[in-house]
Amino acid sequence: AQSVTQLDSQVPVFEEAPVELRCNYSSSVSVYLFWYVQYPNQGLQLLLKYLSGSTLVESINGFEAEFNKSQTSFHLRKPSVHISDTAEYFCAVSGPREAGGYNKLIFGAGTRLAVHP
Amino acid sequence: DGGITQSPKYLFRKEGQNVTLSCEQNLNHDAMYWYRQDPGQGLRLIYYSQIVNDFQKGDIAEGYSVSREKKESFPLTVTSAQKNPTAFYLCASSKTSFPPETQYFGPGTRLLVL
Repeated sequence: AQSVTQLDSQVPVFEEAPVELRCNYSSSVSVYLFWYVQYPNQGLQLLLKYLSGSTLVESINGFEAEFNKSQTSFHLRKPSVHISDTAEYFCAVSGPREAGGYNKLIFGAGTRLAVHP
Repeated sequence: DGGITQSPKYLFRKEGQNVTLSCEQNLNHDAMYWYRQDPGQGLRLIYYSQIVNDFQKGDIAEGYSVSREKKESFPLTVTSAQKNPTAFYLCASSKTSFPPETQYFGPGTRLLVL
């Protein structure tokens, strides 16, 4: 069965510092990986996704993630964070392709990023 | 504007009562999903539907029921059999093409037990 582990439940960081949110997955089949962001009391929004091709994917607001098949990881990074990046971040992997399972997402427990001035 | 709406924003349930959470989308998506979010546990899939009049159980379907009579609507009923219903409930929708498409989420409904 597929699973996702987010290694840090909370990450405090100062504004303009770099940050890395770690995500490891387990799967015996090809994977498709996602990072979603949730601001307080809101739904989730897609931040970026890896489907195929370049292993480095970027978002429009400066985040990037690298798919590492050998380490089964999909860590999220940003070189300089802002106060507005304070949110909860979820890593997710798609389900197996058979029986339409690829539309199902398995989520990690989430990492709460707190950016301090 | 296209998107997903959920209502109500807050819902209170009394002991032994069934309550229904509404989810509507105007994105013309075939697939719709219900997730439950508890602190420190991420999102867990309750039910999903890939086409009208069809739906499948997710990982935690016990105590919940759904219907999918219209493409735009996917209501979730929390029955009295769900003994711990207090949580944040999120509805999502997506296309069903492969590779997997982005899921779009509603703003959520917070269910509290009186």
